[in-house]
Amino acid sequence: DGGITQSPKYLFRKEGQNVTLSCEQNLNHDAMYWYRQDPGQGLRLIYYSQIVNDFQKGDIAEGYSVSREKKESFPLTVTSAQKNPTAFYLCASSIGQNEKLFFGSGTQLSVL
Amino acid sequence: DQQVKQNSPSLSVQEGRISILNCDYTNSMFDYFLWYKKYPAEGPTFLISISSIKDKNEDGRFTVFLNKSAKHLSLHIVPSQPGDSAVYFCAASPNYGGSQGNLIFGKGTKLSVKP
Repeated sequence: DGGITQSPKYLFRKEGQNVTLSCEQNLNHDAMYWYRQDPGQGLRLIYYSQIVNDFQKGDIAEGYSVSREKKESFPLTVTSAQKNPTAFYLCASSIGQNEKLFFGSGTQLSVL
Repeated sequence: DQQVKQNSPSLSVQEGRISILNCDYTNSMFDYFLWYKKYPAEGPTFLISISSIKDKNEDGRFTVFLNKSAKHLSLHIVPSQPGDSAVYFCAASPNYGGSQGNLIFGKGTKLSVKP
């Protein structure tokens, strides 16, 4: 079955630590995205990538980094510079930019 | 400055009745609108979309209406079922002279359908 897999489902970060959230898709989609959801808030775009080896900052990129070395993979690193990392993180992909998005099941990141 | 607004954070409806979820937008460059449904601790799933050249799109129990002059769209669910209880996000895509921009999401409306 084709889809988007995010791992882990739950992740805990210690102060000053970098953590990496995994996102893999086997839909052969060119575009991939990372969103953050806070309680009572909409989805805010962190980073997006339209093709391999290329990515752009979204609305709230500070404290985050990404890479797109393979079409199938778009990992997100939450760095120690992100002062409020506790949130639900969603990865998505689409055939092209702003075609219908397909979302993963999300990763809940919490700070210890 | 919110470009996509869902002013009702929650909505409660009786099973079998109609659910109407509203969404307003401010940017006249938006030309494609989508509704997503999200259960707790899961990713959103696509529900229905509408292009700005239409004013209505229907898919089974779900209908989306677009009023461009009012910059308003609504999602109607008829009849509502308990399984429809979820958070519904409205999203819009801007067209900048033929180049699509990224989707912009509203804050969501939590729908509760009571048996």
